[in-house]
Amino acid sequence: QSALTQPPSVSGAPGQRVTISCTGSSSNIGGGYDVHWYQQLPGRAPRLLIYGNVNRPSGVPDRFSGSKSGTSASLAITGLQAEDEADYYCQSSDSSLRRVVFGGGTKVTVL
Amino acid sequence: QVQLVESGGGLVKPGGSLRLSCTASGFTFSDSYMSWVRQTPGKGLEWVAFISGSSSYTEYAEYVESVKGRFSISRDNAKNSLFLHMDSLTVEDTAVYYCVTGQLFYYDWGQGSLVTVSS
Repeated sequence: QSALTQPPSVSGAPGQRVTISCTGSSSNIGGGYDVHWYQQLPGRAPRLLIYGNVNRPSGVPDRFSGSKSGTSASLAITGLQAEDEADYYCQSSDSSLRRVVFGGGTKVTVL
Repeated sequence: QVQLVESGGGLVKPGGSLRLSCTASGFTFSDSYMSWVRQTPGKGLEWVAFISGSSSYTEYAEYVESVKGRFSISRDNAKNSLFLHMDSLTVEDTAVYYCVTGQLFYYDWGQGSLVTVSS
């Protein structure tokens, strides 16, 4: 059972906006720790998509955006494209577990 | 650009040992915190260990509880290399192991090295 909870799957039609939630607790997200997001395309290694809650590494399209509020965070994908079909993971740090923690991942399907 | 290339994975029996290597290029390796993250179908992504860079006063490392006393992370800055020595392997250690840059989040990832622990 992950310290961070994500929905197993979300789906949307091309061009639509989808959001992925990441719910934590007072010992991680709610405790002020940053949230980071990774995209994992089929058969590939994860890649950093969002760091420090809202920041995009160079090369990541601005269709991807992150936000954080209270004990939760969200990743939004606007203008959904077929190439966005992948698994997405949130990640933070946890003061009780004293380590980095990941969400269980969300599979995004483009209909 | 940054490249991280893992090697050393394979099939090993329970109780056995294995050493993973990661060769880095495209950035100042010696300054960088480095970590190992593993991925299993059942447990998803899991941080395994990190080691500090030369910016730290002394080199130090941390491990996830489940591997403490069995795994050891080390680095050779002269060869831009990161290692993970794994002893007393169990079936629960079966995973793809990724070499990654960073400590609190992971900017660059290698392609991964599959470790299978099975009799």
